[in-house]
Amino acid sequence: QKEVEQNSGPLSVPEGAIASLNCTYSDRVSQSFFWYRQYSGKSPELIMSIYSNGDKEDGRFTAQLNKASQYVSLLIRDSQPSDSATYLCAVSLFGNEKLTFGTGTRLTIIP
Amino acid sequence: EPEVTQTPSHQVTQMGQEVILRCVPISNHLYFYWYRQILGQKVEFLVSFYNNEISEKSEIFDDQFSVERPDGSNFTLKIRSTKLEDSAMYFCASSSRLAGPPNEQFFGPGTRLTVL
Repeated sequence: QKEVEQNSGPLSVPEGAIASLNCTYSDRVSQSFFWYRQYSGKSPELIMSIYSNGDKEDGRFTAQLNKASQYVSLLIRDSQPSDSATYLCAVSLFGNEKLTFGTGTRLTIIP
Repeated sequence: EPEVTQTPSHQVTQMGQEVILRCVPISNHLYFYWYRQILGQKVEFLVSFYNNEISEKSEIFDDQFSVERPDGSNFTLKIRSTKLEDSAMYFCASSSRLAGPPNEQFFGPGTRLTVL
Protein backbone atom coordinates (compact mmCIF):
# COMPACT_ATOMS: atom_id res chain seq x y z
CA GLN A 1 0.00 0.00 0.00
CA LYS A 2 1.51 3.26 -1.12
CA GLU A 3 1.21 5.76 1.69
CA VAL A 4 1.42 9.48 2.16
CA GLU A 5 1.74 10.43 5.80
CA GLN A 6 0.95 13.74 7.43
CA ASN A 7 0.54 14.82 11.01
CA SER A 8 -3.18 15.48 11.34
CA GLY A 9 -2.66 18.35 13.78
CA PRO A 10 -4.18 20.63 14.71
CA LEU A 11 -1.18 22.88 14.27
CA SER A 12 -1.59 26.30 15.84
CA VAL A 13 0.65 29.15 14.71
CA PRO A 14 0.55 32.83 15.75
CA GLU A 15 -0.31 35.34 13.06
CA GLY A 16 2.80 36.57 11.31
CA ALA A 17 4.87 33.51 12.20
CA ILE A 18 6.09 30.72 9.91
CA ALA A 19 3.92 27.63 9.61
CA SER A 20 5.76 24.42 8.74
CA LEU A 21 3.87 21.45 7.36
CA ASN A 22 5.47 18.08 6.71
CA CYS A 23 4.73 15.04 4.60
CA THR A 24 6.47 11.72 4.04
CA TYR A 25 5.79 9.22 1.31
CA SER A 26 6.59 5.55 1.01
CA ASP A 27 7.11 4.95 -2.72
CA ARG A 28 10.57 5.86 -3.98
CA VAL A 29 9.42 6.15 -7.59
CA SER A 30 7.16 9.06 -6.67
CA GLN A 31 7.77 11.80 -9.17
CA SER A 32 5.66 14.85 -8.42
CA PHE A 33 4.48 16.38 -5.19
CA PHE A 34 1.68 18.78 -4.52
CA TRP A 35 0.29 20.86 -1.71
CA TYR A 36 -3.41 21.59 -1.71
CA ARG A 37 -5.36 23.78 0.68
CA GLN A 38 -8.85 22.68 1.65
CA TYR A 39 -11.24 24.86 3.57
CA SER A 40 -13.98 23.07 5.46
CA GLY A 41 -16.66 21.81 3.06
CA LYS A 42 -14.74 23.00 0.01
CA SER A 43 -12.63 21.36 -2.65
CA PRO A 44 -8.83 21.06 -2.69
CA GLU A 45 -7.12 24.15 -4.09
CA LEU A 46 -3.64 23.73 -5.57
CA ILE A 47 -1.00 25.85 -3.83
CA MET A 48 2.32 24.45 -4.95
CA SER A 49 3.83 21.67 -7.03
CA ILE A 50 7.42 20.45 -6.90
CA TYR A 51 9.33 17.63 -8.56
CA SER A 52 13.02 18.53 -8.17
CA ASN A 53 15.02 18.27 -4.98
CA GLY A 54 15.42 21.56 -3.17
CA ASP A 55 13.23 24.55 -2.56
CA LYS A 56 10.57 26.19 -4.68
CA GLU A 57 9.16 29.53 -3.63
CA ASP A 58 5.90 31.21 -4.64
CA GLY A 59 5.00 34.32 -2.71
CA ARG A 60 4.63 33.44 0.98
CA PHE A 61 4.83 29.71 0.24
CA THR A 62 7.95 27.57 -0.06
CA ALA A 63 7.85 23.88 -0.91
CA GLN A 64 10.86 21.76 -0.02
CA LEU A 65 11.59 18.32 -1.46
CA ASN A 66 14.13 15.75 -0.30
CA LYS A 67 13.75 12.58 -2.36
CA ALA A 68 16.52 10.74 -0.51
CA SER A 69 14.58 11.15 2.73
CA GLN A 70 11.20 10.81 0.98
CA TYR A 71 10.10 14.01 2.58
CA VAL A 72 8.29 17.09 1.34
CA SER A 73 7.35 20.16 3.33
CA LEU A 74 5.48 23.43 2.96
CA LEU A 75 6.47 26.63 4.71
CA ILE A 76 4.03 29.50 4.98
CA ARG A 77 5.68 32.79 5.89
CA ASP A 78 3.86 35.70 7.54
CA SER A 79 0.90 33.45 8.36
CA GLN A 80 -2.52 35.07 8.09
CA PRO A 81 -5.84 34.01 9.65
CA SER A 82 -7.05 33.25 6.11
CA ASP A 83 -4.37 30.53 5.94
CA SER A 84 -6.35 28.53 8.50
CA ALA A 85 -7.36 25.40 6.61
CA THR A 86 -6.44 21.77 6.12
CA TYR A 87 -3.32 21.29 3.99
CA LEU A 88 -3.21 18.18 1.88
CA CYS A 89 -0.02 16.61 0.59
CA ALA A 90 -0.46 14.66 -2.65
CA VAL A 91 1.96 12.50 -4.60
CA SER A 92 1.97 11.05 -8.08
CA LEU A 93 4.17 8.17 -9.17
CA PHE A 94 6.44 8.09 -12.18
CA GLY A 95 4.37 7.55 -15.30
CA ASN A 96 1.14 7.52 -13.31
CA GLU A 97 -1.44 10.26 -13.36
CA LYS A 98 -3.40 9.64 -10.20
CA LEU A 99 -2.79 11.57 -7.01
CA THR A 100 -2.42 9.81 -3.69
CA PHE A 101 -3.37 12.09 -0.83
CA GLY A 102 -2.39 12.23 2.79
CA THR A 103 -5.01 12.76 5.47
CA GLY A 104 -4.10 16.44 5.73
CA THR A 105 -2.83 18.71 8.49
CA ARG A 106 -5.30 21.12 10.04
CA LEU A 107 -3.64 24.52 10.48
CA THR A 108 -5.02 27.26 12.69
CA ILE A 109 -3.52 30.76 12.61
CA ILE A 110 -4.10 32.54 15.89
CA PRO A 111 -4.65 36.33 15.58
CA GLU B 1 -9.42 32.32 -14.68
CA PRO B 2 -10.62 28.99 -16.13
CA GLU B 3 -12.06 26.57 -13.62
CA VAL B 4 -13.63 23.16 -13.36
CA THR B 5 -17.37 23.25 -12.75
CA GLN B 6 -19.59 20.52 -11.32
CA THR B 7 -23.33 19.97 -11.10
CA PRO B 8 -25.31 19.46 -9.01
CA SER B 9 -23.69 20.83 -5.88
CA HIS B 10 -25.78 18.46 -3.75
CA GLN B 11 -27.58 15.29 -4.79
CA VAL B 12 -29.84 13.30 -2.49
CA THR B 13 -30.94 9.86 -3.66
CA GLN B 14 -32.47 6.67 -2.39
CA MET B 15 -30.37 3.54 -2.04
CA GLY B 16 -30.46 1.52 -5.26
CA GLN B 17 -31.12 4.51 -7.48
CA GLU B 18 -28.84 5.65 -10.30
CA VAL B 19 -27.12 9.01 -10.16
CA ILE B 20 -25.12 10.96 -12.71
CA LEU B 21 -22.64 13.55 -11.56
CA ARG B 22 -21.56 16.09 -14.13
CA CYS B 23 -18.36 17.99 -14.65
CA VAL B 24 -17.08 20.51 -17.17
CA PRO B 25 -13.27 20.37 -17.13
CA ILE B 26 -11.05 23.31 -18.03
CA SER B 27 -11.41 23.75 -21.78
CA ASN B 28 -7.89 23.00 -23.02
CA HIS B 29 -7.27 20.15 -20.59
CA LEU B 30 -6.93 16.60 -21.83
CA TYR B 31 -6.85 14.50 -18.66
CA PHE B 32 -9.86 14.09 -16.42
CA TYR B 33 -10.29 12.51 -13.01
CA TRP B 34 -12.84 11.66 -10.40
CA TYR B 35 -11.98 11.56 -6.70
CA ARG B 36 -14.16 11.14 -3.68
CA GLN B 37 -13.87 12.19 -0.06
CA ILE B 38 -15.96 10.53 2.60
CA LEU B 39 -16.66 12.94 5.47
CA GLY B 40 -13.61 13.22 7.72
CA GLN B 41 -11.45 11.00 5.51
CA LYS B 42 -8.79 11.50 2.89
CA VAL B 43 -9.35 12.29 -0.77
CA GLU B 44 -9.38 9.03 -2.74
CA PHE B 45 -8.74 8.46 -6.43
CA LEU B 46 -11.50 6.78 -8.40
CA VAL B 47 -10.65 6.97 -12.10
CA SER B 48 -8.62 8.79 -14.71
CA PHE B 49 -9.70 9.34 -18.30
CA TYR B 50 -7.76 10.32 -21.39
CA ASN B 51 -8.43 10.17 -25.10
CA ASN B 52 -11.95 8.88 -24.52
CA GLU B 53 -10.98 5.91 -22.44
CA ILE B 54 -10.20 5.01 -18.86
CA SER B 55 -6.45 5.15 -18.24
CA GLU B 56 -6.55 3.93 -14.65
CA LYS B 57 -9.14 3.04 -12.04
CA SER B 58 -8.97 2.22 -8.36
CA GLU B 59 -10.43 -0.80 -6.60
CA ILE B 60 -13.25 1.48 -5.44
CA PHE B 61 -14.30 1.98 -9.08
CA ASP B 62 -16.18 -1.30 -9.47
CA ASP B 63 -18.83 -2.32 -11.99
CA GLN B 64 -21.44 0.01 -10.56
CA PHE B 65 -19.38 3.02 -11.62
CA SER B 66 -18.87 4.30 -15.14
CA VAL B 67 -17.53 7.45 -16.75
CA GLU B 68 -18.28 9.09 -20.04
CA ARG B 69 -17.38 12.11 -22.08
CA PRO B 70 -20.63 12.47 -24.02
CA ASP B 71 -19.58 15.62 -25.86
CA GLY B 72 -16.65 17.99 -26.15
CA SER B 73 -17.17 19.62 -22.79
CA ASN B 74 -18.89 17.35 -20.25
CA PHE B 75 -17.39 14.52 -18.23
CA THR B 76 -19.78 12.39 -16.20
CA LEU B 77 -19.63 9.85 -13.40
CA LYS B 78 -22.53 7.41 -13.18
CA ILE B 79 -23.27 5.27 -10.16
CA ARG B 80 -25.73 2.62 -11.26
CA SER B 81 -27.15 1.38 -7.97
CA THR B 82 -26.18 3.61 -5.09
CA LYS B 83 -25.31 2.24 -1.68
CA LEU B 84 -25.25 4.00 1.67
CA GLU B 85 -21.46 3.89 1.63
CA ASP B 86 -21.38 5.89 -1.61
CA SER B 87 -22.31 8.99 0.39
CA ALA B 88 -19.36 11.34 -0.05
CA MET B 89 -18.10 14.45 -1.78
CA TYR B 90 -17.21 13.68 -5.37
CA PHE B 91 -14.61 15.87 -6.99
CA CYS B 92 -13.83 16.16 -10.66
CA ALA B 93 -10.35 17.31 -11.64
CA SER B 94 -8.56 18.04 -14.89
CA SER B 95 -5.02 18.61 -16.06
CA SER B 96 -3.32 19.68 -19.26
CA ARG B 97 -0.42 17.27 -18.82
CA LEU B 98 2.19 19.39 -20.49
CA ALA B 99 5.36 17.52 -21.43
CA GLY B 100 7.14 16.41 -18.27
CA PRO B 101 6.17 16.74 -14.64
CA PRO B 102 4.42 17.98 -12.70
CA ASN B 103 0.94 17.00 -13.68
CA GLU B 104 -0.99 19.73 -11.94
CA GLN B 105 -4.59 18.80 -11.36
CA PHE B 106 -7.28 21.39 -10.71
CA PHE B 107 -10.35 20.43 -8.78
CA GLY B 108 -13.96 21.41 -9.20
CA PRO B 109 -16.12 22.50 -6.25
CA GLY B 110 -17.52 19.00 -5.77
CA THR B 111 -20.89 17.30 -5.59
CA ARG B 112 -22.10 16.18 -2.19
CA LEU B 113 -23.89 12.87 -2.67
CA THR B 114 -26.20 11.72 0.09
CA VAL B 115 -27.64 8.22 -0.19
CA LEU B 116 -30.63 7.53 2.06
